[in-house]
Amino acid sequence: SQTIHQWPATLVQPVGSPLSLECTVEGTSNPNLYWYRQAAGRGLQLLFYSVGIGQISSEVPQNLSASRPQDRQFILSSKKLLLSDSGFYLCAWKIVSGEIAPLHFGNGTRLTVT
Amino acid sequence: GDSVTQMEGPVTLSEEAFLTINCTYTATGYPSLFWYVQYPGEGLQLLLKATKADDKGSNKGFEATYRKETTSFHLEKGSVQVSDSAVYFCALYTGRRALTFGSGTRLQVQP
Repeated sequence: SQTIHQWPATLVQPVGSPLSLECTVEGTSNPNLYWYRQAAGRGLQLLFYSVGIGQISSEVPQNLSASRPQDRQFILSSKKLLLSDSGFYLCAWKIVSGEIAPLHFGNGTRLTVT
Repeated sequence: GDSVTQMEGPVTLSEEAFLTINCTYTATGYPSLFWYVQYPGEGLQLLLKATKADDKGSNKGFEATYRKETTSFHLEKGSVQVSDSAVYFCALYTGRRALTFGSGTRLQVQP
């Protein structure tokens, strides 16, 4: 069966420090991968998505970046965190299919920038 | 562009009450519609979906009907339980990019 792992679960970082959040998927090949952010009291905002290794689409201009060094690995990074980067970050995957396939989410990383 | 509008929460109900969470959408073409649920401290899980007009998605006692004429996909449950307390997200997918989510509606069920 397929599983998705996201870590760390919680993170407290000072303003200006770097960030690296990792997400890996097991049990499937060539998934579409996504990073969403959920700010306090707000909905889900799509940050990045990837349809293959090295292929990243950015949805919102910001100081975050994403990389996909391997088929089932998706990394969210920042060189210098801002206070506004605080939030709940969710990684998700779906199979590439002509049918409507659901998104499968990880348990999220709660990031607090102080 | 595509968008989803949900009723603001929190929605507070007593156990066994009837639940409705409204969802309307704007999209180009004919989207597929979804409801996801997020329990405290967890990621989102798919609750139900509908892929064409007049389809009814159902799961765990929850139902939603795809209404093309009113561009709506309201979530309903006849009798809620304390364990249903969570945040509910309505979403659409048009085949481009990724799912577009609403802002979420928090449901609190009191015993």
